[in-house]
Order: sequence, then C-alpha cells, then structure tokens
Amino acid sequence: SQQGEEDPQALSIQEGENATMNCSYKTSINNLQWYRQNSGRGLVHLILIRSNEREKHSGRLRVTLDTSKKSSSLLITASRAADTASYFCATDNWGGNKLTFGTGTQLKVEL
Amino acid sequence: DVKVTQSSRYLVKRTGEKVFLECVQDMDHENMFWYRQDPGLGLRLIYFSYDVKMKEKGDIPEGYSVSREKKERFSLILESASTNQTSMYLCASSLLQGAGQPQHFGDGTRLSIL
Repeated sequence: SQQGEEDPQALSIQEGENATMNCSYKTSINNLQWYRQNSGRGLVHLILIRSNEREKHSGRLRVTLDTSKKSSSLLITASRAADTASYFCATDNWGGNKLTFGTGTQLKVEL
Repeated sequence: DVKVTQSSRYLVKRTGEKVFLECVQDMDHENMFWYRQDPGLGLRLIYFSYDVKMKEKGDIPEGYSVSREKKERFSLILESASTNQTSMYLCASSLLQGAGQPQHFGDGTRLSIL
C-alpha cells in the first residue's frame, strides 16, 4: 500500500530558483525521511524529521512536518542543475526502520 | 561509507526461469530489504530481513522468495519468472537499533523477463 504521495509528480524550474515538494501520508508516523534518486542509481538519504519536530534544516534543504495534516514539505533553496533527480518521501510507521515510500517527484533544474 | 552492492546492473531472463538477484552490504547492518520500483508506483517492499535466516513479507511478496544465510548477503529469488516481474529491483540495508535509521541503497538491477 502507498503511504506517501508526493505532489507535484514533476517540477521544472530554472537554476537559482527554489523548489518545493510536498508529501501526504495516511497513518501516524514515528518519523519521515526524504531521499533523492539520480537517474539509473539507487536512493540516497537526505534528511529525517521525527514526529515531534516541526522543521529541520540541512544545508540548502528545509523540511517541515505537520502531523495534524499528515503532510511534509521539502524545500531546496537556490537550486542547481545537479539537483535534477527524483525525490521520495518515506514514512516509518512503527520505529522499526521499515519504510513506506511515496511515488516521488521528478525535479528538473534547467540552466 | 556504507556500500551496498547488487550483483548485476542489467539482467535479461526468460519466462519460467528461476532468477537469483544478489545483494551484499559491508557495514554489518542487521536489516536488509528488497524493493521493486515501477513508474508511477514508487518503491514497493517485497521482503525484508532483520537477522540471519529471518525474513518478513513486505507488501508484494507473491512470486518471490528470499534467502539470508549470512548477515552481509540477502538474495531475492524469482521461482518462475513472469513478464510482470520486469522491473527495477533495489536492495537496501540499515541498522536495527534506534528508530530513524536511514536506509542505504544499491544502484539497482534492471530485470527484463522475455
């Protein structure tokens, strides 16, 4: 079953702009993680936010979590062409490290 | 850095064949996972294992089995391959202890069943 649904499915922006991706989920979570996948490669962990946190930063990444709305957003500031990739949210529902992944947002950053 | 290695990047097999996909990790992780990735469906969990000789069904285990004889190696087996098993298969590993452990992925095996 799909827990996370990302929105939009695809996003195209110019280099230097900010990119925002949203994730909605259905059941309560222990934590939510964001991953990046470059074309033809495996996923790479970006950032984790716990259910008792509302916002977290890591470099150019900012993640927010609203447990009342069962939603999260990932903001990439000052995007670069190298940020072109698919981005997935993943929810950990019981703290046992088994994740449920969403369907992903394809981000294209153009020069 | 954690390294998760999948034995093949591309694989072509025929309907009815028994197919083995191998995954090895070098960081002594307890958890290992097999996913398949299809366009529009994201990643779906097939099986996972939290210890040697232990396995748990994921969301789509039908048509698959797994083997974990050693801690570092987790094999996915397609007992009798069918065309609807054509997909990208991703292996991942993570530590068991402590909530929120990130998963570390291999680069995937793109499997085509003809």
